[in-house]
Amino acid sequence: GQQVMQIPQYQHVQEGEDFTTYCNSSTTLSNIQWYKQRPGGHPVFLIQLVKSGEVKKQKRLTFQFGEAKKNSSLHITATQTTDVGTYFCAGGTSYDKVIFGPGTSLSVIP
Amino acid sequence: NAGVTQTPKFRVLKTGQSMTLLCAQDMNHEYMYWYRQDPGMGLRLIHYSVGEGTTAKGEVPDGYNVSRLKKQNFLLGLESAAPSQTSVYFCASSYPHQPYSNQPQHFGDGTRLSIL
Repeated sequence: GQQVMQIPQYQHVQEGEDFTTYCNSSTTLSNIQWYKQRPGGHPVFLIQLVKSGEVKKQKRLTFQFGEAKKNSSLHITATQTTDVGTYFCAGGTSYDKVIFGPGTSLSVIP
Repeated sequence: NAGVTQTPKFRVLKTGQSMTLLCAQDMNHEYMYWYRQDPGMGLRLIHYSVGEGTTAKGEVPDGYNVSRLKKQNFLLGLESAAPSQTSVYFCASSYPHQPYSNQPQHFGDGTRLSIL
């Protein structure tokens, strides 16, 4: 069946360093969503990308959707302690549901 | 607005017991979902519903049943609980999909379920 993978599984960074997580799908996606889950919390929607090669920014966060619509990335510039959490990508192939990746857990050392 | 409300928040069951998890949303969303979250495995879809009276199987439906009798409620049932069902269960809801794209999902706070 369709799979969505993410790397790395864990990332520990010093505050102020950059961070990137990568998402790869075994099949072409119609769109991709990104969510953030704080420790002990629930996933919260961050953004959705629909177009091939699309790039969107939210302050220090930059999201990209690959040209082939099979991969995506989330880059955080100059991490802060408020960035701690697990970042999930979720790929859409059928329009009534998405498939979540396993997530990348980010720790930020002050 | 409460958003998506899950009850209970915590529960401990013995193997073989049954229980129902309740999800209620007040955003008039058509779509509702039940996921389980286990360490290192992300969110796996159990069952979902695209409207009142409809349900469909997700990735890991075995051992679970669901019902969507009212638009705002989505119930997840465990008929005979097993230790492998120990997990955190999340309910989510969304508007119907748009052309060529899914819709953002809104999650509840989760139910932490332990099966002994």
